[in-house]
Amino acid sequence: AQSVAQPEDQVNVAEGNPLTVKCTYSVSGNPYLFWYVQYPNRGLQFLLKYITGDNLVKGSYGFEAEFNKSQTSFHLKKPSALVSDSALYFCAVRDRSGGYNKLIFGAGTRLAVHP
Amino acid sequence: EPEVTQTPSHQVTQMGQEVILRCVPISNHLYFYWYRQILGQKVEFLVSFYNNEISEKSEIFDDQFSVERPDGSNFTLKIRSTKLEDSAMYFCASPRGGGREETQYFGPGTRLLVL
Repeated sequence: AQSVAQPEDQVNVAEGNPLTVKCTYSVSGNPYLFWYVQYPNRGLQFLLKYITGDNLVKGSYGFEAEFNKSQTSFHLKKPSALVSDSALYFCAVRDRSGGYNKLIFGAGTRLAVHP
Repeated sequence: EPEVTQTPSHQVTQMGQEVILRCVPISNHLYFYWYRQILGQKVEFLVSFYNNEISEKSEIFDDQFSVERPDGSNFTLKIRSTKLEDSAMYFCASPRGGGREETQYFGPGTRLLVL
């Protein structure tokens, strides 16, 4: 079965510093990986995805993610954090075992960016 | 980001009552997904619905749940007899792009509280 793991419940970063939110995956076949962000009392907003091609994927709001096949990781990064980046971040993997594209989510990582 | 809308934003109901949650997906889409997020937990897949039929469902999606497309523009998730453990955020997701390029865009969610 496809799965993703987010090893950190919370990440604390000072504004202006680089941030990394970690995600590792376990899949059979090619991995299709996604990052979503959830602001308080809001839905999930799509940030970026890896399907194939370049290992460094660029997404919304200055975020990027690095796909590493040997380490089975897909960490989310941003060179300079903003206070407004504070939110809940979810890594997800596509699972086609049922014939359709359902997403399997990690437990989420809360990012807190301090002024 | 494409707009997916959901109504109501909040619903409070008594245990045993029926609730209907509504979703208006990206226009002209024939299929969509429902997910739920129990407070503080991960987002979980419930069901996918394609061309007026359930295409895949999870173990959570038992006989108390049903999905319909009552007209051409919206989809519903019905819980026939709510239980306390049905309290959660319910999200619908509308896909854009086909095949491996598919990206799911989520609505803002309906927060259901069962008393």
